[in-house]
Amino acid sequence: KAGVTQTPRYLIKTRGQQVTLSCSPISGHRSVSWYQQTPGQGLQFLFEYFSETQRNKGNFPGRFSGRQFSNSRSEMNVSTLELGDSALYLCASSLTSGGSQETQYFGPGTRLLVL
Amino acid sequence: AQSVSQHNHHVILSEAASLELGCNYSYGGTVNLFWYVQYPGQHLQLLLKYFSGDPLVKGIKGFEAEFIKSKFSFNLRKPSVQWSDTAEYFCAVNSGGGYNKLIFGAGTRLAVHP
Repeated sequence: KAGVTQTPRYLIKTRGQQVTLSCSPISGHRSVSWYQQTPGQGLQFLFEYFSETQRNKGNFPGRFSGRQFSNSRSEMNVSTLELGDSALYLCASSLTSGGSQETQYFGPGTRLLVL
Repeated sequence: AQSVSQHNHHVILSEAASLELGCNYSYGGTVNLFWYVQYPGQHLQLLLKYFSGDPLVKGIKGFEAEFIKSKFSFNLRKPSVQWSDTAEYFCAVNSGGGYNKLIFGAGTRLAVHP
């Protein structure tokens, strides 16, 4: 079974631009979570989507948004990019959103550099 | 707010040495605990997890972890490390509520010298 895939793998943007990242979960998985990884803040939860609905959101400004499609693929969008948004953005999928005992499987990430 | 603390940010060992990485969490209720590993250039992979039952959990590649509820700890151990264990290790907790939200520790970078 193919793992979680994320596109693009690398991205360079300038301040003020917006960016859209894509995540395809493992086949059959319906929950997608997004995380931001930076050297200073580590791994931080952004949001989770299940059945096209955002179920939970971390402490990030409204510039960070996402959505999930009927095939469980998910996108996250960051508008009005700031230098501090430079990070590795990780997507994780799990079978359901049935709760905290689900194992999340991570993709390789999209490395975003904001200049 | 829930938090996870990993005591060692950098650990350097020689091959065959024993490893113990500390992890403490702050949540007092039911928790589900995970250790993930990130090898150089690779994505996060699950090493092991604890939900309930036997507090000594065995994972892949010879790793194990012990859940000690009274100490809010979930330390990772391996009796004899190999050069291929060089990686960054993350402890994470999901405190429930029906959501897939992991709170991660800051990570521990392990370097194993041949």
